[in-house]
Amino acid sequence: GENVEQHPSTLSVQEGDSAVIKCTYSDSASNYFPWYKQELGKGPQLIIDIRSNVGEKKDQRIAVTLNKTAKHFSLHITETQPEDSAVYFCAASNTGNQFYFGTGTSLTVIP
Amino acid sequence: EPEVTQTPSHQVTQMGQEVILRCVPISNHLYFYWYRQILGQKVEFLVSFYNNEISEKSEIFDDQFSVERPDGSNFTLKIRSTKLEDSAMYFCASERDRANSPLHFGNGTRLTVT
Repeated sequence: GENVEQHPSTLSVQEGDSAVIKCTYSDSASNYFPWYKQELGKGPQLIIDIRSNVGEKKDQRIAVTLNKTAKHFSLHITETQPEDSAVYFCAASNTGNQFYFGTGTSLTVIP
Repeated sequence: EPEVTQTPSHQVTQMGQEVILRCVPISNHLYFYWYRQILGQKVEFLVSFYNNEISEKSEIFDDQFSVERPDGSNFTLKIRSTKLEDSAMYFCASERDRANSPLHFGNGTRLTVT
């Protein structure tokens, strides 16, 4: 089955700096890669996703890049704010199959 | 915006007891899931459900677990004879279709087995 690895496990950045979280996957058939943000006591909330026919997607301060050849994808958050502090999970799936999640990155934005 | 709702938010039970965790998925979604997250660990797939039957399950989802959609709106996870290691957050999720649409998660039920 699919194996998704995520790095780093913890990340601290100064407010206004950028944060980058990286994930790798093992199954070349995976074709959908969502990113979720989980705040304390809440369920994961989708923040951005990318499909395998696209190399990059951007939504305001958040962007995701995908390298299918290397089987890795990354989340980029620019101009970080304290409210960006949360746990971020990457995931991979193949159409019709279950989602496989990374181990999560705890992001702390220091004011 | 429609959301997945889960009840209760926190359930405490004694080892060996049965618990039922409840979920109301988004109304026009067709695929339903249960995931588990042990404290500090990754979100783990338990089971997926479509057209009133289980479509996929993980090795975690053994005979101790069952799912049901009793009335067309609720989606329940039953855990029989709970064990200490069942203590975790249980998340329900729903999906509109399987064409690379995102999962929508509820806020979870924290299950504590004592």
